[in-house]
Amino acid sequence: NAGVTQTPKFRILKIGQSMTLQCTQDMNHNYMYWYRQDPGMGLKLIYYSVGAGITDKGEVPNGYNVSRSTTEDFPLRLELAAPSQTSVYFCASRTGGNTEAFFGQGTRLTVV
Amino acid sequence: AQTVTQSQPEMSVQEAETVTLSCTYDTSESNYYLFWYKQPPSRQMILVIRQEAYKQQNATENRFSVNFQKAAKSFSLKISDSQLGDTAMYFCAFIPGTYKYIFGTGTRLKVLA
Repeated sequence: NAGVTQTPKFRILKIGQSMTLQCTQDMNHNYMYWYRQDPGMGLKLIYYSVGAGITDKGEVPNGYNVSRSTTEDFPLRLELAAPSQTSVYFCASRTGGNTEAFFGQGTRLTVV
Repeated sequence: AQTVTQSQPEMSVQEAETVTLSCTYDTSESNYYLFWYKQPPSRQMILVIRQEAYKQQNATENRFSVNFQKAAKSFSLKISDSQLGDTAMYFCAFIPGTYKYIFGTGTRLKVLA
């Protein structure tokens, strides 16, 4: 059982470049989330989705876009990368109610 | 605003001793869920314990227990008989309502031999 899979694990981007962070889950979870974790800090919610076709902004959505065309996939798009987007990005998913979130292994992104 | 505050950036404890990590939150929701997660150096997020706001009884999982004070909006984690493997970053998190999953800034715990 793969759980939540994120790709790539590491990436270096130049300022102004764009990229998509991929996230796939095989648990048929409705809710999916993208977080960023800056060094020594907590997780800040970027975007979340409650089902295919439905997304909403979290605490820090500026500079990012998402889509949810299927239950399984929730890609995060960075347009015009900036050094402030250097961070570790986590994707997570869960079912409803009091269920725990299952996390991917994270993507370490550096913008230079 | 729906926020989670962890006021202790770093803590240390001697092996086999007990330590308590603090967490406070703010929400206007009447029902919500609270969690503690552990993040070791591997970056993996591991669920430690969960608590439902409508349950008055404090949750317990082996050496981990919580002190849930709903009126004070406080949700502390107690680790008994601390082990070297407990060294990690600990995050308090909650679901205010239904959808959002909000995390605190974390407490870095070091267990000393």
